[in-house]
Amino acid sequence: AQKITQTQPGMFVQEKEAVTLDCTYDTSDQSYGLFWYKQPSSGEMIFLIYQGSYDEQNATEGRYSLNFQKARKSANLVISASQLGDSAMYFCAMREFSGGYQKVTFGTGTKLQVIP
Amino acid sequence: DVKVTQSSRYLVKRTGEKVFLECVQDMDHENMFWYRQDPGLGLRLIYFSYDVKMKEKGDIPEGYSVSREKKERFSLILESASTNQTSMYLCASSLPSGRLEQFFGPGTRLTVL
Repeated sequence: AQKITQTQPGMFVQEKEAVTLDCTYDTSDQSYGLFWYKQPSSGEMIFLIYQGSYDEQNATEGRYSLNFQKARKSANLVISASQLGDSAMYFCAMREFSGGYQKVTFGTGTKLQVIP
Repeated sequence: DVKVTQSSRYLVKRTGEKVFLECVQDMDHENMFWYRQDPGLGLRLIYFSYDVKMKEKGDIPEGYSVSREKKERFSLILESASTNQTSMYLCASSLPSGRLEQFFGPGTRLTVL
């Protein structure tokens, strides 16, 4: 089974609207972490937001929020008030303990395009 | 400002050549990682290192080796480059504990002809 599943290869959103990028994960660990990264066309991966498995509140960082639903094993990224600069690839990732080490697994990504 | 640098943004090599990809971080991070990124496959872990002279295989280590002689530098080596190693290579580093968010370099787009 895939550790991280991002089912939306591509999405469009109108400027100033909100958008949700989906992410589901699979782990048997009780302690794990979830990340979202942004990759603009320049190629550099940028860390956006983090949610720990024991965090009771959803994480927020400015216009980014993580909708964490533990029972459903989902960690969707919500971007409010989209801007043209939000056009990029977005990757969901999970940190878990595997083979004696903390390992991070990435999803396949969602390409977001913001339309003026 | 934290920084991870990679030796080249673009690299073109011939089949059979030995290829070195260098990564340097200035954040005094213990952990360093090498990923390759291919369309539709996301990022896949090649090798990682949690300390100097320490290395561990990731999910796709075949055809690659690594070297970590100094804390700030982590090198990826393609012993005999092949066309199926044409890809984007990303280096990252992180602290050894806490959230473990990774800081990435700009990537090296390698083409093997």
